[in-house]
Amino acid sequence: DAGITQSPRHKVTETGTPVTLRCHQTENHRYMYWYRQDPGHGLRLIHYSYGVKDTDKGEVSDGYSVSRSKTEDFLLTLESATSSQTSVYFCAISEPTRNTEAFFGQGTRLTVV
Amino acid sequence: AQTVTQSQPEMSVQEAETVTLSCTYDTSESDYYLFWYKQPPSRQMILVIRQEAYKQQNATENRFSVNFQKAAKSFSLKISDSQLGDAAMYFCAFRGAQKLVFGQGTRLTINP
Repeated sequence: DAGITQSPRHKVTETGTPVTLRCHQTENHRYMYWYRQDPGHGLRLIHYSYGVKDTDKGEVSDGYSVSRSKTEDFLLTLESATSSQTSVYFCAISEPTRNTEAFFGQGTRLTVV
Repeated sequence: AQTVTQSQPEMSVQEAETVTLSCTYDTSESDYYLFWYKQPPSRQMILVIRQEAYKQQNATENRFSVNFQKAAKSFSLKISDSQLGDAAMYFCAFRGAQKLVFGQGTRLTINP
């Protein structure tokens, strides 16, 4: 299995508080992605990174920011959590020069109350 | 922007029968990859099959095969001899130069 770890696995937070989710990989993959999964919507891309300090927005980036200061870590921050951000968040990694598929973390269930 | 559409929110099939899941996509890129991922209740994302856009031959992995129609931008998944363990959410995905984009998913139920 690809070495990819998400933390925390579960979190409950209050509306208006900042939240940071971490994705850590040991595979030296260049690409890293953050998704949210909601019923009826599948996996929607929030942000992605194609290298250290190189990031770009996905289709649902409002309210989220990311940072990648080193290859192995990709952080997703909710600056001021809202109830609409209650979701399951997945991180994925990919290295197109080695293989075509993406590998996924186990997901983080975030509840904003 | 790339988009992936799965028009069947739910499908069901009798055990040992064949089922086809539909997927269409939209892109202006010429070089890309398409995937089907399976997500069981454990939430783990499992690669089922992949297709390179430059290959005309449809990919096959044991009981799983695809019908790739590049001009129509269609990428359907056929599951033959359905088994109870095939019950899951199935996601179609597109990977272009940078983005990896998913469809809304199809929940597949296998009836014994």
